[in-house]
Amino acid sequence: NAGVTQTPKFQVLKTGQSMTLQCAQDMNHEYMSWYRQDPGMGLRLIHYSVGAGITDQGEVPNGYNVSRSTTEDFPLRLLSAAPSQTSVYFCASRAGQGVSPLHFGNGTRLTVT
Amino acid sequence: DAKTTQPPSMDCAEGRAANLPCNHSTISGNEYVYWYRQIHSQGPQYIIHGLKNNETNEMASLIITEDRKSSTLILPHATLRDTAVYYCIVRSVNYGGSQGNLIFGKGTKLSVKP
Repeated sequence: NAGVTQTPKFQVLKTGQSMTLQCAQDMNHEYMSWYRQDPGMGLRLIHYSVGAGITDQGEVPNGYNVSRSTTEDFPLRLLSAAPSQTSVYFCASRAGQGVSPLHFGNGTRLTVT
Repeated sequence: DAKTTQPPSMDCAEGRAANLPCNHSTISGNEYVYWYRQIHSQGPQYIIHGLKNNETNEMASLIITEDRKSSTLILPHATLRDTAVYYCIVRSVNYGGSQGNLIFGKGTKLSVKP
């Protein structure tokens, strides 16, 4: 089991460029989510999904799009990157029901210049 | 906003027990207490969770007060590798909509010293 895999590990973008952060899990988890973490702060929820075909917004969704066409994958898209989106992004998943804990990937460090 | 209050930082001597407190005075009946930690800039790691009974696993013990308004995470023999930010989070397990999301606060930065 690889768990939650995020790619790339590092990325530098120019303002206005677009890109997709990839997230895949091999645990057949129904729930997946994206967080961002800025220096000195805790994690803030961007978007989440409770199953294939279902997504919803978290605390800080502006500037990000998601889709969930399969159970395994939950990509995060930046349509027009801004310096304010410089951050570390974490993807996480858990089994859908009950008290199952959240499993996190190792993050993508994004810099927008 | 996070529903928990934690001290921003704590120190612990290597080999001693680390006791990390958490206040969650507004916790409701269907909310569990979860603890995670984050070492350097790695992804957060699950430690333990509980509802009202004390819980123990290979990593830690969780003590929840009888009124459920506070809890303590205990690392029985802290090592230098336990230096991390520890997050205490309450989460509803009836996760319709946003209730099941984990909302992180700023956590407690635990420094284990030789």
